[in-house]
Amino acid sequence: QSALTQPPSASGSPGQSVTISCTGTSSDIGTYNYVSWYQQHPGNAPKLLITEVNKRPSGVPDRFTGSKSGNTASLTVSGLQVEDEAEYYCSSYAGRDKAVFGGGTKLTV
Amino acid sequence: EVQLVDSGGGLVQPGRSLRLSCAASGFTFKEFAMNWVRQAPGKGLEWVAGINWKGNTMGYADSVKGRFIISRDNAENSLYLQMDSLRPEDSGLYYCVKDMGVGPYLGSRLDTWGQGTLVTVSS
Repeated sequence: QSALTQPPSASGSPGQSVTISCTGTSSDIGTYNYVSWYQQHPGNAPKLLITEVNKRPSGVPDRFTGSKSGNTASLTVSGLQVEDEAEYYCSSYAGRDKAVFGGGTKLTV
Repeated sequence: EVQLVDSGGGLVQPGRSLRLSCAASGFTFKEFAMNWVRQAPGKGLEWVAGINWKGNTMGYADSVKGRFIISRDNAENSLYLQMDSLRPEDSGLYYCVKDMGVGPYLGSRLDTWGQGTLVTVSS
């Protein structure tokens, strides 16, 4: 049960797009379409942004999109806004009633 | 309003035990799987344990398996985490988290988070 791999940091200017990757293995992302993305602002609990690879819960702007190819999932944030500056975490179901998170990516806008 | 209120954290010596509780309200608790996720100070998220809606399927991270037990009381709308043989590396903010579904794919769709309860393991 190893953590998923995310880049430690990403950045973009307001209005631009940025993509954050999340690399797992054939035991987690590569097998299951249960990849989620979370946004966490300092001092706050995480917030669910994307579930089941590309589904947005109610209230999440369509600027946030998810995708997956092989063992790698991606989160794209379009039309960057200053309030998008936060830590982003991916997670995946890993089989046998386990889940695993990525190490987190600090997005700077 | 969906609400999760975590409690039970505190300072504990290595090797001792602690029991966390989570009181749920604003949704039909018995219809959803539940989880515990922790975050060490300044570090990332770590899924700790999950339990399905019925309470008959549980999953644990390798780092806590054999030491922690997750349980639930659907009549009391409550979730628990019994933590034994605590280690310094178990220190962190522990979040009670609601799953979007009943239980397959534990820990993979976490839509509502408590405010967290802080556990510090130190002598």
